[in-house]
Amino acid sequence: TQLLEQSPQFLSIQEGENLTVYCNSSSVFSSLQWYRQEPGEGPVLLVTVVTGGEVKKLKRLTFQFGDARKDSSLHITAAQPGDTGLYLCAGASNAGNTGKLIFGQGTTLQVKP
Amino acid sequence: GAGVSQSPSNKVTEKGKDVELRCDPISGHTALYWYRQSLGQGLEFLIYFQGNSAPDKSGLPSDRFSAERTGGSVSTLTIQRTQQEDSAVYLCASSLNPPEAFFGQGTRLTVV
Repeated sequence: TQLLEQSPQFLSIQEGENLTVYCNSSSVFSSLQWYRQEPGEGPVLLVTVVTGGEVKKLKRLTFQFGDARKDSSLHITAAQPGDTGLYLCAGASNAGNTGKLIFGQGTTLQVKP
Repeated sequence: GAGVSQSPSNKVTEKGKDVELRCDPISGHTALYWYRQSLGQGLEFLIYFQGNSAPDKSGLPSDRFSAERTGGSVSTLTIQRTQQEDSAVYLCASSLNPPEAFFGQGTRLTVV
Protein backbone atom coordinates (compact mmCIF):
# COMPACT_ATOMS: atom_id res chain seq x y z
CA THR A 1 0.00 0.00 0.00
CA GLN A 2 1.39 3.38 -0.97
CA LEU A 3 1.30 5.99 1.78
CA LEU A 4 2.30 9.62 1.97
CA GLU A 5 3.20 11.25 5.26
CA GLN A 6 3.13 14.99 5.62
CA SER A 7 4.85 17.03 8.29
CA PRO A 8 4.17 19.09 10.18
CA GLN A 9 0.43 18.52 10.50
CA PHE A 10 -0.12 22.02 11.85
CA LEU A 11 1.94 25.18 11.50
CA SER A 12 1.21 28.61 12.93
CA ILE A 13 3.62 31.39 12.01
CA GLN A 14 3.87 35.17 11.78
CA GLU A 15 3.58 37.04 8.53
CA GLY A 16 6.98 37.32 6.84
CA GLU A 17 8.41 34.06 8.15
CA ASN A 18 9.58 31.22 5.93
CA LEU A 19 8.35 27.64 6.22
CA THR A 20 8.80 24.21 4.70
CA VAL A 21 6.30 21.38 4.48
CA TYR A 22 7.49 17.85 3.84
CA CYS A 23 5.85 14.94 2.10
CA ASN A 24 7.53 11.53 2.47
CA SER A 25 6.94 7.99 1.34
CA SER A 26 8.75 4.70 1.03
CA SER A 27 7.13 4.25 -2.38
CA VAL A 28 8.08 5.67 -5.75
CA PHE A 29 5.51 7.87 -7.47
CA SER A 30 5.28 8.63 -11.18
CA SER A 31 4.41 12.23 -10.29
CA LEU A 32 3.53 14.26 -7.26
CA GLN A 33 1.18 17.17 -6.85
CA TRP A 34 0.56 19.87 -4.30
CA TYR A 35 -2.92 21.23 -3.63
CA ARG A 36 -4.20 24.04 -1.43
CA GLN A 37 -7.64 23.86 0.12
CA GLU A 38 -9.63 26.57 1.86
CA PRO A 39 -12.56 25.86 4.23
CA GLY A 40 -15.71 24.83 2.37
CA GLU A 41 -13.91 24.48 -0.92
CA GLY A 42 -12.35 21.65 -2.88
CA PRO A 43 -8.56 21.37 -3.24
CA VAL A 44 -6.97 23.53 -5.93
CA LEU A 45 -3.95 22.23 -7.83
CA LEU A 46 -0.80 24.30 -7.31
CA VAL A 47 1.83 22.27 -9.13
CA THR A 48 2.78 18.88 -10.57
CA VAL A 49 6.35 17.59 -10.41
CA VAL A 50 7.36 14.65 -12.54
CA THR A 51 11.13 14.34 -12.77
CA GLY A 52 13.33 13.29 -9.85
CA GLY A 53 15.19 16.35 -8.53
CA GLU A 54 12.81 18.73 -10.25
CA VAL A 55 12.32 22.18 -8.72
CA LYS A 56 9.39 24.40 -9.62
CA LYS A 57 8.69 27.91 -8.44
CA LEU A 58 5.33 29.62 -8.20
CA LYS A 59 5.88 33.17 -6.94
CA ARG A 60 6.91 32.73 -3.27
CA LEU A 61 6.34 28.96 -3.34
CA THR A 62 9.13 26.53 -4.24
CA PHE A 63 8.36 22.86 -4.83
CA GLN A 64 10.95 20.11 -5.01
CA PHE A 65 10.64 16.45 -5.99
CA GLY A 66 13.19 14.11 -4.45
CA ASP A 67 15.78 12.45 -6.66
CA ALA A 68 14.24 9.04 -6.02
CA ARG A 69 10.68 10.34 -6.55
CA LYS A 70 9.66 9.24 -3.06
CA ASP A 71 9.43 12.61 -1.35
CA SER A 72 8.72 16.26 -1.94
CA SER A 73 8.85 19.59 -0.16
CA LEU A 74 7.01 22.88 -0.36
CA HIS A 75 8.86 25.99 0.79
CA ILE A 76 7.06 29.30 1.25
CA THR A 77 9.13 32.47 1.49
CA ALA A 78 7.84 35.48 3.42
CA ALA A 79 4.47 33.92 4.22
CA GLN A 80 1.38 36.11 4.04
CA PRO A 81 -2.04 35.73 5.71
CA GLY A 82 -3.45 34.84 2.28
CA ASP A 83 -1.31 31.69 2.33
CA THR A 84 -3.42 30.32 5.19
CA GLY A 85 -5.05 27.01 4.29
CA LEU A 86 -4.69 23.25 4.15
CA TYR A 87 -1.80 22.09 1.97
CA LEU A 88 -2.05 18.59 0.56
CA CYS A 89 0.50 16.53 -1.31
CA ALA A 90 -0.71 13.76 -3.58
CA GLY A 91 1.21 11.07 -5.40
CA ALA A 92 0.13 9.36 -8.58
CA SER A 93 0.16 5.60 -8.23
CA ASN A 94 3.02 3.96 -10.05
CA ALA A 95 1.10 0.73 -10.44
CA GLY A 96 -0.77 -0.13 -13.58
CA ASN A 97 -2.47 2.53 -15.62
CA THR A 98 -4.59 4.07 -12.91
CA GLY A 99 -4.71 7.81 -12.41
CA LYS A 100 -5.50 7.28 -8.74
CA LEU A 101 -3.99 9.86 -6.40
CA ILE A 102 -2.75 8.97 -2.92
CA PHE A 103 -3.11 11.96 -0.59
CA GLY A 104 -1.16 12.87 2.50
CA GLN A 105 -3.02 13.89 5.66
CA GLY A 106 -2.42 17.56 4.97
CA THR A 107 -0.66 20.46 6.68
CA THR A 108 -2.82 23.19 8.14
CA LEU A 109 -1.01 26.51 7.81
CA GLN A 110 -2.04 29.59 9.74
CA VAL A 111 -0.23 32.83 8.97
CA LYS A 112 -0.91 35.56 11.50
CA PRO A 113 -0.75 39.22 10.47
CA GLY B 1 -20.37 26.07 -15.89
CA ALA B 2 -16.62 26.07 -16.08
CA GLY B 3 -15.91 23.94 -13.04
CA VAL B 4 -16.92 20.67 -11.45
CA SER B 5 -20.38 20.94 -9.96
CA GLN B 6 -21.61 18.80 -7.06
CA SER B 7 -25.06 18.54 -5.59
CA PRO B 8 -26.39 18.81 -3.03
CA SER B 9 -23.84 20.94 -1.21
CA ASN B 10 -25.15 19.71 2.12
CA LYS B 11 -27.13 16.62 3.00
CA VAL B 12 -28.45 15.53 6.37
CA THR B 13 -29.90 12.05 6.49
CA GLU B 14 -31.09 9.61 9.08
CA LYS B 15 -29.09 6.51 9.83
CA GLY B 16 -30.22 3.64 7.63
CA LYS B 17 -31.44 5.79 4.75
CA ASP B 18 -29.94 5.72 1.25
CA VAL B 19 -28.36 8.83 -0.28
CA GLU B 20 -27.31 9.82 -3.79
CA LEU B 21 -24.62 12.39 -4.46
CA ARG B 22 -24.24 13.90 -7.91
CA CYS B 23 -21.22 15.15 -9.81
CA ASP B 24 -21.18 17.11 -13.07
CA PRO B 25 -17.61 17.09 -14.38
CA ILE B 26 -15.94 19.66 -16.57
CA SER B 27 -17.11 19.15 -20.14
CA GLY B 28 -14.74 16.98 -22.13
CA HIS B 29 -12.91 15.55 -19.13
CA THR B 30 -12.63 11.81 -19.56
CA ALA B 31 -11.52 10.96 -16.03
CA LEU B 32 -13.64 11.32 -12.91
CA TYR B 33 -12.76 10.65 -9.28
CA TRP B 34 -14.63 10.40 -6.00
CA TYR B 35 -12.82 11.06 -2.73
CA ARG B 36 -13.94 11.32 0.89
CA GLN B 37 -12.52 13.78 3.39
CA SER B 38 -12.98 13.81 7.13
CA LEU B 39 -12.69 17.09 9.02
CA GLY B 40 -9.28 18.69 8.43
CA GLN B 41 -7.83 15.49 7.03
CA GLY B 42 -6.44 14.32 3.73
CA LEU B 43 -8.50 12.74 1.02
CA GLU B 44 -9.44 9.07 0.93
CA PHE B 45 -9.72 7.61 -2.58
CA LEU B 46 -13.05 5.93 -3.36
CA ILE B 47 -13.37 5.30 -7.10
CA TYR B 48 -11.89 6.36 -10.44
CA PHE B 49 -13.53 6.33 -13.89
CA GLN B 50 -11.49 6.72 -17.07
CA GLY B 51 -13.32 6.75 -20.39
CA ASN B 52 -14.83 3.38 -21.24
CA SER B 53 -12.40 1.42 -19.07
CA ALA B 54 -13.59 -0.57 -16.08
CA PRO B 55 -13.60 1.74 -13.06
CA ASP B 56 -11.03 1.38 -10.28
CA LYS B 57 -13.29 0.62 -7.30
CA SER B 58 -10.49 -0.35 -4.95
CA GLY B 59 -11.21 2.48 -2.49
CA LEU B 60 -14.90 1.82 -1.86
CA PRO B 61 -15.06 1.03 1.89
CA SER B 62 -17.94 -1.44 1.76
CA ASP B 63 -20.59 -2.89 -0.52
CA ARG B 64 -22.96 -0.18 0.70
CA PHE B 65 -21.07 2.21 -1.56
CA SER B 66 -21.48 2.24 -5.33
CA ALA B 67 -20.96 4.70 -8.13
CA GLU B 68 -21.86 4.97 -11.76
CA ARG B 69 -21.01 7.29 -14.57
CA THR B 70 -23.62 7.60 -17.27
CA GLY B 71 -22.68 8.50 -20.83
CA GLY B 72 -19.14 9.27 -19.78
CA SER B 73 -20.28 12.44 -18.06
CA VAL B 74 -22.43 12.81 -14.93
CA SER B 75 -21.61 10.52 -12.01
CA THR B 76 -23.68 9.45 -9.02
CA LEU B 77 -22.27 8.08 -5.78
CA THR B 78 -24.81 6.05 -3.84
CA ILE B 79 -24.51 5.10 -0.19
CA GLN B 80 -27.05 2.57 1.02
CA ARG B 81 -28.13 2.12 4.63
CA THR B 82 -26.04 5.06 5.79
CA GLN B 83 -24.10 4.85 9.04
CA GLN B 84 -22.77 7.63 11.24
CA GLU B 85 -19.20 6.86 10.19
CA ASP B 86 -20.19 7.77 6.63
CA SER B 87 -20.42 11.42 7.70
CA ALA B 88 -17.77 13.32 5.73
CA VAL B 89 -17.27 15.65 2.79
CA TYR B 90 -17.51 13.78 -0.49
CA LEU B 91 -15.41 15.37 -3.21
CA CYS B 92 -15.63 14.77 -6.91
CA ALA B 93 -12.90 15.68 -9.37
CA SER B 94 -12.50 15.44 -13.11
CA SER B 95 -9.43 15.44 -15.31
CA LEU B 96 -8.45 15.73 -18.95
CA ASN B 97 -4.85 14.80 -18.14
CA PRO B 98 -4.77 12.41 -15.18
CA PRO B 99 -3.70 12.62 -12.51
CA GLU B 100 -4.05 16.43 -12.51
CA ALA B 101 -7.49 16.82 -11.01
CA PHE B 102 -9.99 19.65 -10.73
CA PHE B 103 -12.20 19.35 -7.69
CA GLY B 104 -15.75 20.40 -6.98
CA GLN B 105 -16.74 22.06 -3.72
CA GLY B 106 -17.92 18.80 -2.25
CA THR B 107 -21.06 17.49 -0.60
CA ARG B 108 -21.06 17.59 3.18
CA LEU B 109 -22.93 14.49 4.36
CA THR B 110 -24.16 14.27 7.93
CA VAL B 111 -25.76 11.07 9.16
CA VAL B 112 -27.79 11.53 12.32
